[in-house]
Amino acid sequence: AQSVTQLDSQVPVFEEAPVELRCNYSSSVSVYLFWYVQYPNQGLQLLLKYLSGSTLVKGINGFEAEFNKSQTSFHLRKPSVHISDTAEYFCAVSKGAGNNRKLIWGLGTSLAVNP
Amino acid sequence: DAMVIQNPRYQVTQFGKPVTLSCSQTLNHNVMYWYQQKSSQAPKLLFHYYDKDFNNEADTPDNFQSRRPNTSFCFLDIRSPGLGDAAMYLCASLLRAAYNEQFFGPGTRLTVL
Repeated sequence: AQSVTQLDSQVPVFEEAPVELRCNYSSSVSVYLFWYVQYPNQGLQLLLKYLSGSTLVKGINGFEAEFNKSQTSFHLRKPSVHISDTAEYFCAVSKGAGNNRKLIWGLGTSLAVNP
Repeated sequence: DAMVIQNPRYQVTQFGKPVTLSCSQTLNHNVMYWYQQKSSQAPKLLFHYYDKDFNNEADTPDNFQSRRPNTSFCFLDIRSPGLGDAAMYLCASLLRAAYNEQFFGPGTRLTVL
């Protein structure tokens, strides 16, 4: 069965510092991986996705993630965070095919950027 | 801009009083999803439509129903809301060829009094 583990429930960081949000997945088949961001009282917005090809994926708002098949990881990084990056971040992996495509979600990481 | 729209953004209902949440999408996507998200938790899939085919998750209570009258619209009906149904309800859509990139609406925050 596929599953997603986000290793940190909360990550506090100072403004302009680098950040890494960790995500590990388990899957016996090829995977499609996603990072979504959720600001307070908002829906989820796609930050980036890995489908195939280059293992380094660049997304919006200066975020990037690296797919590591041997370590089954898809960690999210940003070299310098802003106050406006304070939000909940969810890692997800696809499951199923055809008319039964779904996402398996991690529990989320709350990023708090402090001045 | 093409998007997923949810109305209302905030909904207050009384214990046991039926409520309907609305979702529409201008993306012409085949698949639409309804999620329930409680505070500080991941979204929990309730059900989804692939075109007109309805797919219920095994652990979705019977109290939750859905309708999709056409490609653009999808409704979530809660027949008898309980206090435990207070949550954010998220609608999402997917173009079936797009490798699971779901597009989300802004959500409806449901309060049950």
